[in-house]
Amino acid sequence: RKEVEQDPGPFNVPEGATVAFNCTYSNSASQSFFWYRQDCRKEPKLLMSVYSSGNEDGRFTAQLNRASQYISLLIRDSKLSDSATYLCVVIKAGGFKTIFGAGTRLFVKA
Amino acid sequence: DTAVSQTPKYLVTQMGNDKSIKCEQNLGHDTMYWYKQDSKKFLKIMFSYNNKELIINETVPNRFSPKSPDKAHLNLHINSLELGDSAVYFCASSPGQGNQPQHFGDGTRLSIL
Repeated sequence: RKEVEQDPGPFNVPEGATVAFNCTYSNSASQSFFWYRQDCRKEPKLLMSVYSSGNEDGRFTAQLNRASQYISLLIRDSKLSDSATYLCVVIKAGGFKTIFGAGTRLFVKA
Repeated sequence: DTAVSQTPKYLVTQMGNDKSIKCEQNLGHDTMYWYKQDSKKFLKIMFSYNNKELIINETVPNRFSPKSPDKAHLNLHINSLELGDSAVYFCASSPGQGNQPQHFGDGTRLSIL
């Protein structure tokens, strides 16, 4: 079993749609959680950190469920510019050891 | 101002050669990383350094040797390059003790002929 698992997609959605991505992790002692986005042939960029209380940044909402070892990302009112690969990232307890999920591809169409 | 910069951006070389990739960060971060992203786009950590000290070495062949002359620099030297080394190599940095978000350089595309 992979340490961090994501549905690879692709998700094809029209502009304005709401789309949700899920991610599961296997190590219950994991410490920090993030969502990154990666555009084609570019570096990963931090989208948002993920907290147990849930957090929102504009159209993006992230949620962490430690009991189920599950992380989610919700994108509302999708824009063409949201088309990218979304990477779930988990850092193990003690820091430094960073595990990236394989990514979920999103295509937003006009 | 570029926060994490890598050189070169592209590297095309023959099998068996030795090459180096350089990375510098001007963010004042304590921790630096090297990642490999292969053709399937899977991003995997190779090394992590904190204040010039090696913290993570993820079962990388010993042909790969990182070196951190100071906490703003982390270079990667690769000996006897093999076809399977073809990938994009990303450098990243983060503040503190390695549990904070990481900032990535724009990658070095290594192609082995």
